[in-house]
Amino acid sequence: QSALTQPASVSGSPGQSITISCTGTSSDVGGYNYVSWYQQHPGKAPKLMIYEVSNRPSGVSNRFSGSKSGNTASLTISGLQAEDEADYYCSSYTSSSSNYVFGTGTKVTVL
Amino acid sequence: EVQLVQSGAEVKKPGESLKISCKGSGYSFTSYWIGWVRQMPGKGLEWMGIIYPGDSDTRYSPSFQGQVTISADKSISTAYLQWSSLKASDTAMYYCARMERYGLDYWGQGTLVTVSS
Repeated sequence: QSALTQPASVSGSPGQSITISCTGTSSDVGGYNYVSWYQQHPGKAPKLMIYEVSNRPSGVSNRFSGSKSGNTASLTISGLQAEDEADYYCSSYTSSSSNYVFGTGTKVTVL
Repeated sequence: EVQLVQSGAEVKKPGESLKISCKGSGYSFTSYWIGWVRQMPGKGLEWMGIIYPGDSDTRYSPSFQGQVTISADKSISTAYLQWSSLKASDTAMYYCARMERYGLDYWGQGTLVTVSS
């Protein structure tokens, strides 16, 4: 199974909105609403930001939102803040191995 | 409070065996899948496999099938990741995490494994 495809980097100014894409296939992203998103700061464990495409865990800011269209899922960060600078990974269930797969990762830079 | 506490950093030589652990507390350990994730130095996250401690149902990602063994001892709420013969390319940070509704909601602190001659 191949990793899901994400842009290597995305940047934005404080207060702006940015969107990170996550492209898979009909065997993973397109076939199931089991997409999740993770934020990872340097030297730290990842943190769950979105599960089941668009649900936010308790405690995660409502500036983070998720969506999906066809084989592509998206994470939008609105009102960008300095603390949002981190690496972001998507993940999806995949029927090809009855398991899960991560995306390639996106580095978000706040200008 | 849900916690996953992983065993400490390891330094091993190529060809040696290793078993690292992940102890869960604060929830019903047998009712949630546990996933293992690799992160090589400066690289992204890789899904290694998942185990359901309730019945030890285990699923491996194709890249890791046959390379590692995932197990669990529900009597002590602990999941394991083991290698029979380490390679230098196994040098990485390894995370365990609990799965809730198809997302990994609680993570261990990570175990750094260094394999060097």
